[in-house]
Amino acid sequence: QVQLVESGGGVVQPGGSLRLSCAASGFTFSSYGMHWVRQAPGKGLEWVAFIRYDGSNKYYADSVKGRFTISRDNSKNTLYLQMNSLRAEDTAVYYCAKDPPGGTSWPDYWGQGTLVTVSS
Amino acid sequence: DIQMTQSPSSVSASVGDRVTITCRASQGISSWLAWYQQKPGKAPKLLIYAASSLQSGVPSRFSGSGSGTDFTLTISSLQPEDFATYYCQQANSFPPLTFGQGTRLEIK
Repeated sequence: QVQLVESGGGVVQPGGSLRLSCAASGFTFSSYGMHWVRQAPGKGLEWVAFIRYDGSNKYYADSVKGRFTISRDNSKNTLYLQMNSLRAEDTAVYYCAKDPPGGTSWPDYWGQGTLVTVSS
Repeated sequence: DIQMTQSPSSVSASVGDRVTITCRASQGISSWLAWYQQKPGKAPKLLIYAASSLQSGVPSRFSGSGSGTDFTLTISSLQPEDFATYYCQQANSFPPLTFGQGTRLEIK
């Protein structure tokens, strides 16, 4: 069965950095695009970033462009999100999610999330 | 970017009731719409994709309809486990993926 397990969340000061990981299993990781989606406390879902199955294309929300970098290691079945210059408004649960068969549309499996808190 | 607007923001209903949630896109998205269910402390779960297709394993009391700009999610007979927050999401224009603000379904 598909499993996505995020890690790397924690408390960081404003201006700091953090790297999130998402370990994938139960499917052919190298065949699917992957997303990061976040949810601030008590708020709705916000798409953050996407990477194509082969890493050739990456897209970002305007709110994180230039500060966050999505990457993947298909040999390790792992997705990453490098977050720099963190702000209080980046505080959220971060979910990784996979594309469905057929291409980028509606993420069909999500991890359990990892909490990032940006606070001094 | 395409904006997604859900209504109502919250709704109270009883077990056995029929409930409908509406999602409107700021421009036409054909049938590129999905619905998710999220329970407190849990990840979103895909219920409906392509506006009306039921994701594998999702009970048949859930159904979706619509195309263009107006969409609905209907739960035909509410069960206790259906009380949650529901989100719509458009996939017609990417990037970005955009979500509605959510509809909280509460027990009356």
